[in-house]
Amino acid sequence: DAGVTQSPTHLIKTRGQQVTLRCSPKSGHDTVSWYQQALGQGPQFIFQYYEEEERQRGNFPDRFSGHQFPNYSSELNVNALLLGDSALYLCASTSQGTLKETQYFGPGTRLLVL
Amino acid sequence: QKEVEQDPGPLSVPEGAIVSLNCTYSNSAFQYFMWYRQYSRKGPELLMYTYSSGNKEDGRFTAQVDKSSKYISLFIRDSQPSDSATYLCAMSAGGYQKVTFGTGTKLQVIP
Repeated sequence: DAGVTQSPTHLIKTRGQQVTLRCSPKSGHDTVSWYQQALGQGPQFIFQYYEEEERQRGNFPDRFSGHQFPNYSSELNVNALLLGDSALYLCASTSQGTLKETQYFGPGTRLLVL
Repeated sequence: QKEVEQDPGPLSVPEGAIVSLNCTYSNSAFQYFMWYRQYSRKGPELLMYTYSSGNKEDGRFTAQVDKSSKYISLFIRDSQPSDSATYLCAMSAGGYQKVTFGTGTKLQVIP
């Protein structure tokens, strides 16, 4: 079992550009959440996807959007990048069924905006 | 004021010591409480998941929740150098929906 996988591992962009990050959940999981973790801070919840719909959203602007595919994998898109978007972006997966007490994180994508 | 407050440390203890990590929170709606361990440049790893007040034990780890005081704790017995990491408390009103994390406490266990 590969666990939660994310790609790419690192990314460098310039202000104003757009970025797409990808996540594959752990086998058996159907729910994907995205978090932003700034240096020295705890993860901040961006949004959660279940059944290909955004179910919950944190306090992030509309520049942050996402998508979930029928195979439960997910993408996070960030438009009009700002310097403050530089962070570790974490994907976490869980299940609405019998595995609902477990949430696994991927290794993250480290985004640097110059 | 942040919804979840956690002392960032760093906390340095000798091997074999009992470690106590704590968080306070202000949102009375929080019902689910978690502790994660995060090694440098890795994603967080779930250690404990508890619902409402009470204690939960798993090996060397014990989680305590006191909802009346809005205070949660994680105890690590017989601490090992491999326990050196950042420990994050987290909580939510509904399972893994909209989880709010503390800033993390960096722990170092000295051999």
